[in-house]
Amino acid sequence: DAGVTQSPTHLIKTRGQQVTLRCSPKSGHDTVSWYQQALGQGPQFIFQYYEEEERQRGNFPDRFSGHQFPNYSSELNVNALLLGDSALYLCASSLLVLRERGYTFGSGTRLTVV
Amino acid sequence: GDSVTQMEGPVTLSEEAFLTINCTYTATGYPSLFWYVQYPGEGLQLLLKATKADDKGSNKGFEATYRKETTSFHLEKGSVQVSDSAVYFCALKGNEKLTFGTGTRLTIIP
Repeated sequence: DAGVTQSPTHLIKTRGQQVTLRCSPKSGHDTVSWYQQALGQGPQFIFQYYEEEERQRGNFPDRFSGHQFPNYSSELNVNALLLGDSALYLCASSLLVLRERGYTFGSGTRLTVV
Repeated sequence: GDSVTQMEGPVTLSEEAFLTINCTYTATGYPSLFWYVQYPGEGLQLLLKATKADDKGSNKGFEATYRKETTSFHLEKGSVQVSDSAVYFCALKGNEKLTFGTGTRLTIIP
């Protein structure tokens, strides 16, 4: 049973560029959440998607946007990259009706902005 | 808003020592509480959880008890191993999102 799959694993972008990160949730899960983990910090919630709609959003600017597809996979897009966007981006999936079982995390995408 | 305060590290222990990592939280309502572990270069793995007051979560020799009266969820293990070296995150789930502490880096010396 495949867990959460994220791609790419590493990425280097130039300041001002745009980036798209991808996530395939664990089989059977219908909800995808995205987190940003800066070096030496705990993950910070970006947003959550369910039924192709954004259900909740953390304290991140509009440069961060997302999408969920009918097969439950998801993309995170970041526009006008800043040096401060360098971080590990984690995707977590869950089944909404069984929310108390917690979340399954992927291994993340390491984004470096230069 | 919700917040988690976690014992700052790094923590270095000898193998077979007793481990405690402190975690306290602030939240409205009755959140679920979690401990996640992160090994180098990897994502987060759920270590244990508790969903209501006085629940004890346990896994791989680690334990934590949900203490509502002290708003705490301290992680303990009686005898640590070198393989326990990792970063540990305390987290709470309120309103469908996880709020994490800053993490505690644990190093176990043989």
